[in-house]
Amino acid sequence: QSVLTQPPSVSGAPGQRVTISCTGSSPNIGTDYHVHWYQQLPGTAPTLLIYGNTNRPSGVPDRFSGSMSGNSASLAITGLQAEDEADYYCQSFDSSLSAWVFGGGTKLTVL
Amino acid sequence: QVHLVESGGGVVQPGRSLRLSCAASGFTLSSYAIHWVRQAPGKGLEWVAFTLYDGSNEYYADSVKGRFTISRDNSRNTVHLQMNSLRAEDTAVYYCARESATVGGSFDFWGQGTLVTVSS
Repeated sequence: QSVLTQPPSVSGAPGQRVTISCTGSSPNIGTDYHVHWYQQLPGTAPTLLIYGNTNRPSGVPDRFSGSMSGNSASLAITGLQAEDEADYYCQSFDSSLSAWVFGGGTKLTVL
Repeated sequence: QVHLVESGGGVVQPGRSLRLSCAASGFTLSSYAIHWVRQAPGKGLEWVAFTLYDGSNEYYADSVKGRFTISRDNSRNTVHLQMNSLRAEDTAVYYCARESATVGGSFDFWGQGTLVTVSS
């Protein structure tokens, strides 16, 4: 049972837009702790996709964007491409656990 | 270029110990916190342990507290994870990850991982 809740799967056709939600409860996201997103392509290590709720590291296409509303974060991917098929994880910090926490992960399928 | 390379994984019997290493290059290790994150086969990511940039503070997931110990040798650019009293549920790929210095709490670089299998 993850502290951060993500849908297990989402799907979309090439060119479409999809969103992945990440819902937490205080005292993790929604307070002073940022949400970060990672992409894990099949058989590889995760890579940082979005940091500090909304920021993209250099090299990440602007098709990927992050947003926050209350205690929920969202990752949006526009102009879906076959290469976007991967697992996506949100991550934050939980002060009550003194632990860094991940969502359960969302598998994106490009139809 | 930032590189993190894990080593030390393998097959180990329940109750035994294993020591993982994370070799850092391309940056000044002594300026960064480092984490270990694991991923059981077919499962999601689980944070395991944290060491502050100078080794003065550590945190552990409840699932490994009292069994795992994180340490670092900044002079050798290496971080270790000593895993004792291993259980079947510790079977996973173990990644070391660097915590960003600009936005705390995010992991901006990851190693390729090392597989630990706990089985009799």
